[in-house]
Amino acid sequence: EAGVTQFPSHSVIEKGQTVTLRCDPISGHDNLYWYRRVMGKEIKFLLHFVKESKQDESGMPNNRFLAERTGGTYSTLKVQPAELEDSGVYFCASSQDPYSGGTLVEQYFGPGTRLTVT
Amino acid sequence: AQKITQTQPGMFVQEKEAVTLDCTYDTSDPSYGLFWYKQPSSGEMIFLIYQGSYDQQNATEGRYSLNFQKARKSANLVISASQLGDSAMYFCAMRELPYSSASKIIFGSGTRLSIRP
Repeated sequence: EAGVTQFPSHSVIEKGQTVTLRCDPISGHDNLYWYRRVMGKEIKFLLHFVKESKQDESGMPNNRFLAERTGGTYSTLKVQPAELEDSGVYFCASSQDPYSGGTLVEQYFGPGTRLTVT
Repeated sequence: AQKITQTQPGMFVQEKEAVTLDCTYDTSDPSYGLFWYKQPSSGEMIFLIYQGSYDQQNATEGRYSLNFQKARKSANLVISASQLGDSAMYFCAMRELPYSSASKIIFGSGTRLSIRP
C-alpha cells in the first residue's frame, strides 16, 4: 500500500510568487493534516480535514494560505503571495477514522515539501 | 495550553552505547498520547513509539523504549545499542485533546542525535 505522498519535494520561488503544494493521503484515510517546520523551530500544526471539510484550521498563519481538499481525496495548500518567512518544510499526514477500524495511535506522515522563498 | 519541551538540541553518542533523549510535556487533561518520531536526513517522519497516558507499562518497540514518568510529566526515549543509522532528528510529540486519532499532534523542537563510529 502506498504511503502519504507529497509533491513537489522541493520548491524554490521568489517572494511574491504563488506556490501550490499537493498531498495525496493513504487511500481510505478520511483525516488529512498539514504541518510545517520553519527553520529551527517546532513542527507546527496548520489544519485538519475530515474528508472534504475543514475540521480545524486554527494553525493557519494568515490569509495568504489556502488549503483545499476537493472530493475528500488529495489536498492542496496554496501560498499566495509567498513571503520569506514561509520558507520551511511542509508536511502532510493522514489517519484513518478511529470508528471505522483505524488505530487510535498513528498519523502517517509524508516526506514533506521543502519550500524556499528567496 | 499543551506544550512539549526537548532541552537537548544536539547529542553525540558512541556507537553501541545506549542513549536517552529527554522530553517533558505539559497538559491539564488526564487523557493524552505521547509519541516519538524520527526524521533522518532524507526528511520523512518515521513513527517510533507510542505511550498512552493510562498505560500502566512503559512502551517498548525493539531497541526503543519510552521511560514514562507521569507524575514528572516526562516521556524520555531510550535507544539501546545505538547504531550509525540512528543518526537523525528525533521529535517528541503529544496528541492534543479530544483524545482520538483525529486530533492534531503537538511537537517539541527536536533533538539531533549523531552516532559516532
